[in-house]
Amino acid sequence: AQKVTQAQTEISVVEKEDVTLDCVYETRDTTYYLFWYKQPPSGELVFLIRRNSFDEQNEISGRYSWNFQKSTSSFNFTITASQVVDSAVYFCAPLGGAGSYQLTFGKGTKLSVIP
Amino acid sequence: NAGVTQTPKFRVLKTGQSMTLLCAQDMNHEYMYWYRQDPGMGLRLIHYSVGEGTTAKGEVPDGYNVSRLKKQNFLLGLESAAPSQTSVYFCASSYGVSSYNEQFFGPGTRLTVL
Repeated sequence: AQKVTQAQTEISVVEKEDVTLDCVYETRDTTYYLFWYKQPPSGELVFLIRRNSFDEQNEISGRYSWNFQKSTSSFNFTITASQVVDSAVYFCAPLGGAGSYQLTFGKGTKLSVIP
Repeated sequence: NAGVTQTPKFRVLKTGQSMTLLCAQDMNHEYMYWYRQDPGMGLRLIHYSVGEGTTAKGEVPDGYNVSRLKKQNFLLGLESAAPSQTSVYFCASSYGVSSYNEQFFGPGTRLTVL
């Protein structure tokens, strides 16, 4: 069975601190995709990034960076120099193997950035 | 482009009433999805469609029906609403023949069943 775990339920940081959000995906699939979505207090879901299981290179986009380690099934997301606008719930959502259409959402990590 | 839109934004029903939620997308996406989000939970897939005229069950399909008569629209129906269906409902769509394309979400519909 596939299982996605976001162990951090809530995190609070002071503005300008760096913060890392953890996601662990347990699966027997050898090929899969991982998505991160952001849900700000307004409620909409915003797509952040998609990574595949055969690409373990870190990716950086502005203040965001992602680290994927297939050996530990962990797909971590780091925000550098956090800002108040980063306050949101962040969801890790793996998509299963070939032919799968179902995103399996983690329970999310609520990030609060304090000014 | 409006992207993915949902109608209505809010609704209150009494137990046993029926209603239909409408999702529309103007991105010519093949795939469409209905999710529900409960407090403290991630989203769970109710039903999805991989093309006009096709639908399939997701993780939590009981108590819901769907139809995809037109490519741009995906309807979610509740025939006899129950308090357990109180939730926020999100529609999403994605493009192309590969399932790895990101899903674009609508703004959500907040449904309360009394």
